[in-house]
Amino acid sequence: KAGVTQTPRYLIKTRGQQVTLSCSPISGHRSVSWYQQTPGQGLQFLFEYFSETQRNKGNFPGRFSGRQFSNSRSEMNVSTLELGDSALYLCASTSPGRGETQYFGPGTRLLVL
Amino acid sequence: GEDVEQSLFLSVREGDSSVINCTYTDSSSTYLYWYKQEPGAGLQLLTYIFSNMDMKQDQRLTVLLNKKDKHLSLRIADTQTGDSAIYFCAASETSYDKVIFGPGTSLSVIP
Repeated sequence: KAGVTQTPRYLIKTRGQQVTLSCSPISGHRSVSWYQQTPGQGLQFLFEYFSETQRNKGNFPGRFSGRQFSNSRSEMNVSTLELGDSALYLCASTSPGRGETQYFGPGTRLLVL
Repeated sequence: GEDVEQSLFLSVREGDSSVINCTYTDSSSTYLYWYKQEPGAGLQLLTYIFSNMDMKQDQRLTVLLNKKDKHLSLRIADTQTGDSAIYFCAASETSYDKVIFGPGTSLSVIP
């Protein structure tokens, strides 16, 4: 079974631009979560989608948004990029049910100049 | 909200056992995880334990949970240089709920 895939793996943008990151979950997984990892703040939860609906949201500004498609693939968008948005963005998927856990993708490394 | 704490650094000699400790604050956390992250890589799920368990063993890995003290530990037996990485302790209420991560413990294995 293929793992969680994220595209692109690396991205360089400039301040003020916007960016869209993509995540394809493990086949059969319907829940997708997004996390931001930075050296200063560590790993922080952004949001979680299930069946195209956002169920949970972390404490990030409205510039960070996401969506999920009917095939469970998810995208996250960051508008008006700031230098502090430079981070590793990780996507995780899970299948609800006891014994299931979140499996993470390799991440997209975003550098904002 | 949930807070997860762990020591930041650990150094051990190759062949010795490593023990990484973690504490969490929210007693409603049902899933307790250990993830490994190598430089430039994503997160690899090593193992997890349910809050109603005391111990879980998986090859060289042993997880101990003291639910009363909200203390979790990861023991790596016969530590190898390939075990050098950052280890994250994490907790969540359900399998799909947001996962709260600790700051990570950087494990250095000395040959």
